[in-house]
Amino acid sequence: GQQLNQSPQSMFIQEGEDVSMNCTSSSIFNTWLWYKQDPGEGPVLLIALYKAGELTSNGRLTAQFGITRKDSFLNISASIPSDVGIYFCAGHPYGGATNKLIFGTGTLLAVQP
Amino acid sequence: GAVVSQHPSWVICKSGTSVKIECRSLDFQATTMFWYRQFPKQSLMLMATSNEGSKATYEQGVEKDKFLINHASLTLSTLTVTSAHPEDSSFYICSANTGEGGDYNEQFFGPGTRLTVL
Repeated sequence: GQQLNQSPQSMFIQEGEDVSMNCTSSSIFNTWLWYKQDPGEGPVLLIALYKAGELTSNGRLTAQFGITRKDSFLNISASIPSDVGIYFCAGHPYGGATNKLIFGTGTLLAVQP
Repeated sequence: GAVVSQHPSWVICKSGTSVKIECRSLDFQATTMFWYRQFPKQSLMLMATSNEGSKATYEQGVEKDKFLINHASLTLSTLTVTSAHPEDSSFYICSANTGEGGDYNEQFFGPGTRLTVL
């Protein structure tokens, strides 16, 4: 089925560093969302984007909906140990059901204190 | 608000037995509930979408007779894995939305159920 490609697959950084990850698709999406999943838990919504070009922040997190509607990025500034987890992008594809989410492949983030 | 719970959080069963997983919206009425499966180190893959009082819509490749979904009320959906086999071992996650606010309204995810089939 349709899938979103995330990069990088994993990141190992020092506390205090900034992090950037992105998500791409070969087709257009109507929304882009970013989730964080802790081990053994369900994903939690971090940021939701609904318009091409939209740039939204949530604390130390910033995400943008790409102009082409085929990509999105998530930045985390001044990382802290509790940022550790798997980050997933997700979205509603153009022409798809408005309640059906497609998830990305995930980015594993490890933060060393 | 918008809390979704799952029960059990983990289950171990013998091959050939059936396992039922519950998904509840605790503080809202969920017009639609979704079931996902996640294998280790992989992404969430949608299995099926269910609306209260109607039959679930299954994604391509998901056997409806093996993964029985019942959405009997606006706060409860169940997934039954019938005649489970080791390859069904996975992390099963449900989500729910209220159906309000127009298109793309937020899905709230449960904490997941870890199924291990021996």
